[in-house]
Amino acid sequence: AQKITQTQPGMFVQEKEAVTLDCTYDTSDQSYGLFWYKQPSSGEMIFLIYQGSYDEQNATEGRYSLNFQKARKSANLVISASQLGDSAMYFCAMREPHHTGTASKLTFGTGTRLQVTL
Amino acid sequence: EAGVVQSPRYKIIEKKQPVAFWCNPISGHNTLYWYLQNLGQGPELLIRYENEEAVDDSQLPKDRFSAERLKGVDSTLKIQPAELGDSAVYLCASSLEGLGTQYFGPGTRLTVL
Repeated sequence: AQKITQTQPGMFVQEKEAVTLDCTYDTSDQSYGLFWYKQPSSGEMIFLIYQGSYDEQNATEGRYSLNFQKARKSANLVISASQLGDSAMYFCAMREPHHTGTASKLTFGTGTRLQVTL
Repeated sequence: EAGVVQSPRYKIIEKKQPVAFWCNPISGHNTLYWYLQNLGQGPELLIRYENEEAVDDSQLPKDRFSAERLKGVDSTLKIQPAELGDSAVYLCASSLEGLGTQYFGPGTRLTVL
């Protein structure tokens, strides 16, 4: 069974500083995908960044980067130059392996609430 | 490009009443998902459609929940009868194909009294 662990229920960061949100995952498969989503108070899940298990480079998307350490089974999200609008819940998710019948199912962690302060 | 549209955004009903949620995916996306998000938790998949076909409904409580996607575009999720424990956010998502990135709608927040 797939499992995603986010150990930080809440994080604070000052505006313009960088912050790392932790995510570890558990799988015995070699092929999988990792995602980060942002959920502001409005409720919509906003896709931020994706990392494939075979990707050799860490994914980057603007101010977001994914620190992918495959041997440690971690996929931490790094937000650089935090902005007040980054305050939200952040969810890490894993897509099940391609060879399974539910290959497009996402399994989510419990999320981290990020608060950006002045 | 328009995102995933859901309605209503909020719904308050009494227990044992029926309720329905509607979702219109991103144009051209053939895969549609319904997720349930309880307070303080991440979303959990209820059902996934590939075009009109429900290809994964293993997590859908079929005694009271039903879903349809008749023309392979928009979809409806129904609960009948609703129970207190059904209070949650119901999220719809779509992807271009089964392994593509999933894009979510704003969700419907259901409160059962």
